[in-house]
Amino acid sequence: DQQVKQNSPSLSVQEGRISILNCDYTNSMFDYFLWYKKYPAEGPTFLISISSIKDKNEDGRFTVFLNKSAKHLSLHIVPSQPGDSAVYFCAASGGNSGGYQKVTFGTGTKLQVIP
Amino acid sequence: GAGVSQSPRYKVAKRGQDVALRCDPISGHVSLFWYQQALGQGPEFLTYFQNEAQLDKSGLPSDRFFAERPEGSVSTLKIQRTQQEDSAVYLCASSLVDRLYRPQHFGDGTRLSIL
Repeated sequence: DQQVKQNSPSLSVQEGRISILNCDYTNSMFDYFLWYKKYPAEGPTFLISISSIKDKNEDGRFTVFLNKSAKHLSLHIVPSQPGDSAVYFCAASGGNSGGYQKVTFGTGTKLQVIP
Repeated sequence: GAGVSQSPRYKVAKRGQDVALRCDPISGHVSLFWYQQALGQGPEFLTYFQNEAQLDKSGLPSDRFFAERPEGSVSTLKIQRTQQEDSAVYLCASSLVDRLYRPQHFGDGTRLSIL
């Protein structure tokens, strides 16, 4: 039962163009969403997050959009740079009354930015 | 150090041996998480500690897996009588717990290979 889905295993984009990474979720209790970036042989690095009370959050070149009715979120990177080449994980948490984040991850999308 | 530190980075063991994986969280982080990441998959939650208390161990795959954090800082994940299906990258993450919605900070993981 994959509650967070990233249906595109890979994506190639030209340097300077926009990269759009998509993520769908099934659990309506999720209320906090995150994107992590991962380089080979390193742990995931937090990139950007959004809570369910918002539909957009922006941080520099990175913007996350949330469509709660469609249970869909996306990460936009503008402009894309070669250093952005990595695996991007979508993650979600919520509905946990224990006061901590039990995070569920997607399977990742490998982004390649071509110089 | 400033980040989450895990050791060893790589561990090779024969089937049936016991292994112990160590995690040093970021200083002052009271929340600590263990994840298992199989090849081509996203991290999957194993267990959660708040200080020394293990509040959630619902993700541990079997009773061969055991985690502890006796003094509320360093944590050890132990796997007894290892099996080939235990081969994976084991990630540790920590976060502040002053507010619920805080991103988790990951270590670089321990890659475990069971022969």
